[in-house]
Amino acid sequence: KAGVTQTPRYLIKTRGQQVTLSCSPISGHRSVSWYQQTPGQGLQFLFEYFSETQRNKGNFPGRFSGRQFSNSRSEMNVSTLELGDSALYLCASSLVFSSGELFFGEGSRLTVL
Amino acid sequence: TQLLEQSPQFLSIQEGENLTVYCNSSSVFSSLQWYRQEPGEGPVLLVTVVTGGEVKKLKRLTFQFGDARKDSSLHITAAQPGDTGLYLCAGDRQAGTALIFGKGTTLSVSS
Repeated sequence: KAGVTQTPRYLIKTRGQQVTLSCSPISGHRSVSWYQQTPGQGLQFLFEYFSETQRNKGNFPGRFSGRQFSNSRSEMNVSTLELGDSALYLCASSLVFSSGELFFGEGSRLTVL
Repeated sequence: TQLLEQSPQFLSIQEGENLTVYCNSSSVFSSLQWYRQEPGEGPVLLVTVVTGGEVKKLKRLTFQFGDARKDSSLHITAAQPGDTGLYLCAGDRQAGTALIFGKGTTLSVSS
């Protein structure tokens, strides 16, 4: 059974640019959550999607957005990148909404210069 | 304010030693999870505890959920280099809310 796949794995952007990250969940999983991981703050919740609807949202500015498609694949977008957006962005899928049992991808490492 | 406080933040021990990692909160959680993350990978779920006072064992790892469901501990017996990694506790306070993570304990076991 294939795991959660995130692309790209690594990317470098400059301030002011935007970025789109992609996540393919485990087959059959309908919920996708996104987290930002930094050394100082740990894992911070961004948002959760279930059946193409955003069900929960963390305390991040509107520059961070996401969506989920009918096949449960999800994308997140960060516009007007800032240096502080440099982080590992983790996607996790689960069978049901608001589950504590998440299956994580390997993450997308974003560096903003 | 961090909802889930983990201690210690860093732990460096020798192979064969025992250790305990703590996860504390002032809030009650409906369930609590422990994850382990290795460099370059995403966190991997180790265990879920849901009942106050519950104890679960996974080989040399023992997990305990506090009676009041506000805290948890992870005890590793006879640590091995393969136990090295970042240990994260996570919990959800009520149905429909997002999973919240502690900042983690970085464990290094040397042979």
